[in-house]
Amino acid sequence: EAGVAQSPRYKIIEKRQSVAFWCNPISGHATLYWYQQILGQGPKLLIQFQNNGVVDDSQLPKDRFSAERLKGVDSTLKIQPAKLEDSAVYLCASSSNLHSPLHFGNGTRLTVT
Amino acid sequence: QKEVEQDPGPLSVPEGAIVSLNCTYSNSAFQYFMWYRQYSRKGPELLMYTYSSGNKEDGRFTAQVDKSSKYISLFIRDSQPSDSATYLCAMTSRNQFYFGTGTSLTVIP
Repeated sequence: EAGVAQSPRYKIIEKRQSVAFWCNPISGHATLYWYQQILGQGPKLLIQFQNNGVVDDSQLPKDRFSAERLKGVDSTLKIQPAKLEDSAVYLCASSSNLHSPLHFGNGTRLTVT
Repeated sequence: QKEVEQDPGPLSVPEGAIVSLNCTYSNSAFQYFMWYRQYSRKGPELLMYTYSSGNKEDGRFTAQVDKSSKYISLFIRDSQPSDSATYLCAMTSRNQFYFGTGTSLTVIP
């Protein structure tokens, strides 16, 4: 079974620039999550999709972050404009149903200078 | 009070030692409990997934859940240098996942 795929692995941008991350979940997984992980901390949920609908985006900074999951498969997360405090690893995870454990990708490490 | 508390360590042990990693939680509604291992520059990898109180064993790993005390543990027997990583506990209620901050473990050959 192929795992969760994410790209790019690394990204360096200047503040106020925009950036986009891509995620392809495990085949057949209906639920997709984007997490932000700052060094030394646990993952923090940004947004959760069930198929192509948003279940929870309460912690997504909507003035600068946006995410979509067209056709209920791949997803993109965008930051525009980026701030220094957005420097983190952005993890995508998927699960087969509501109480199943999460399976994570290797993340995108974002550095904002 | 945080939903999930986890000692960040770092924890350093000699090869072959028994390692005990712990998390406490405050929400009695948590139903499912997980342990993830995260190597440097990698995503978290699921190690153990349990539902009920008690022990679950998988090779050198044992997950223990005590719902009455709101306490979960991960034991690693015969620890190996390859076990050096950050270990995250996680738990879920109503489809929301809550993570600990992770414990950094180093196993010294």
